[in-house]
Amino acid sequence: SQQGEEDPQALSIQEGENATMNCSYKTSINNLQWYRQNSGRGLVHLILIRSNEREKHSGRLRVTLDTSKKSSSLLITASRAADTASYFCATRWVPNTGNQFYFGTGTSLTVIP
Amino acid sequence: DTEVTQTPKHLVMGMTNKKSLKCEQHMGHRAMYWYKQKAKKPPELMFVYSYEKLSINESVPSRFSPECPNSSLLNLHLHALQPEDSALYLCASSLGLAGGYEQYFGPGTRLTVT
Repeated sequence: SQQGEEDPQALSIQEGENATMNCSYKTSINNLQWYRQNSGRGLVHLILIRSNEREKHSGRLRVTLDTSKKSSSLLITASRAADTASYFCATRWVPNTGNQFYFGTGTSLTVIP
Repeated sequence: DTEVTQTPKHLVMGMTNKKSLKCEQHMGHRAMYWYKQKAKKPPELMFVYSYEKLSINESVPSRFSPECPNSSLLNLHLHALQPEDSALYLCASSLGLAGGYEQYFGPGTRLTVT
């Protein structure tokens, strides 16, 4: 499988705390994206990081990428109850002439008010 | 309009039925996708269309038949499904295929095969 693996599988934190989830993948990639999915709904794109980038920020989100370790992390700072969702990394791997992404196993985040 | 719509929201069908899932976007995106997602699992890519032509078929059984009538519409025709095909079916679109464009997802169709 070309899927990434994420850990932890489930994470429960108090509102206001930071949440960190990690994604490891198997093959060389062009870029990596993070998506959020509220229960039983469609996915929402959060952030894209290219293989030549090491860190990106978007609001309360910080993503890092270490291509030597084939891993990425997503940090959500000052979490809110509304951040409760499943988070998936998606990798666009090489060689790949299309835009198909393969999703990791996901982290289920619960933020307790 | 940055929305991908899917109909129906829920579908229950027998193993001998024929039904279709529909997906629509009006963002001018030229790539569209079907994914299948089982409970507590990540989405699995099924098909990719680029400029209304099938670009990728991830070895999906022939009981699933995709169709892209125009650049805004994507259908998934279902026939002789099995109970294990019960899942959330997600449609997505992106501006194009090259370059790592983000994908916009619809809310999904929850399919139950009885």
